Amino acid sequence: GEDVEQSLFLSVREGDSSVINCTYTDSSSTYLYWYKQEPGAGLQLLTYIFSNMDMKQDQRLTVLLNKKDKHLSLRIADTQTGDSAIYFCAESIPASKIIFGSGTRLSIRP
Amino acid sequence: EAQVTQNPRYLITVTGKKLTVTCSQNMNHEYMSWYRQDPGLGLRQIYYSMNVEVTDKGDVPEGYKVSRKEKRNFPLILESPSPNQTSLYFCASSLRQGAPYEQYFGPGTRLTVT
Repeated sequence: GEDVEQSLFLSVREGDSSVINCTYTDSSSTYLYWYKQEPGAGLQLLTYIFSNMDMKQDQRLTVLLNKKDKHLSLRIADTQTGDSAIYFCAESIPASKIIFGSGTRLSIRP
Repeated sequence: EAQVTQNPRYLITVTGKKLTVTCSQNMNHEYMSWYRQDPGLGLRQIYYSMNVEVTDKGDVPEGYKVSRKEKRNFPLILESPSPNQTSLYFCASSLRQGAPYEQYFGPGTRLTVT
């Protein structure tokens, strides 16, 4: 069945790059998403990538997609304290529900 | 402002006392959904609705009910809450189900059942 897996925790030093990884099982997924959940708030869409793309860059964010290995990653350059949050990987196909991973809690140390 | 609202934000109740968590969106979205978030389990879908009067079970529907009488509202009903329903609940909406439509989330309702 469909499944999306992520590690639960990541700690990085302020100013370093953060790389959050995700694996998924549904090879028919057409869109892969990264959502961000800040403390006490709901999820917000951070970025997404269409399955025919390998990479997408948006300012400090870089999304890499390896379709062969069903691996998705989110790189945050120059990580700041405001990046502390839970990051959810998700996959979806048209007219079907979105499947979320368990979330990776990113903490920033000085 | 485009948003999804939920009420209440926090609720402490006792086992067996019926409660309703309201959800409303002002974006004319067809698709609405309820999730619960538990540590280490991520988001699990409880119920969803493709449009008015169309609802269906998600992955963890036991102990919950929903209704969709109007497009903007999608209340979650716990007829007889139990302690294992203590969780953080999110309502979400999107224009339609699935890709490529972004889901918009409410701020969450933290429910404690004693």
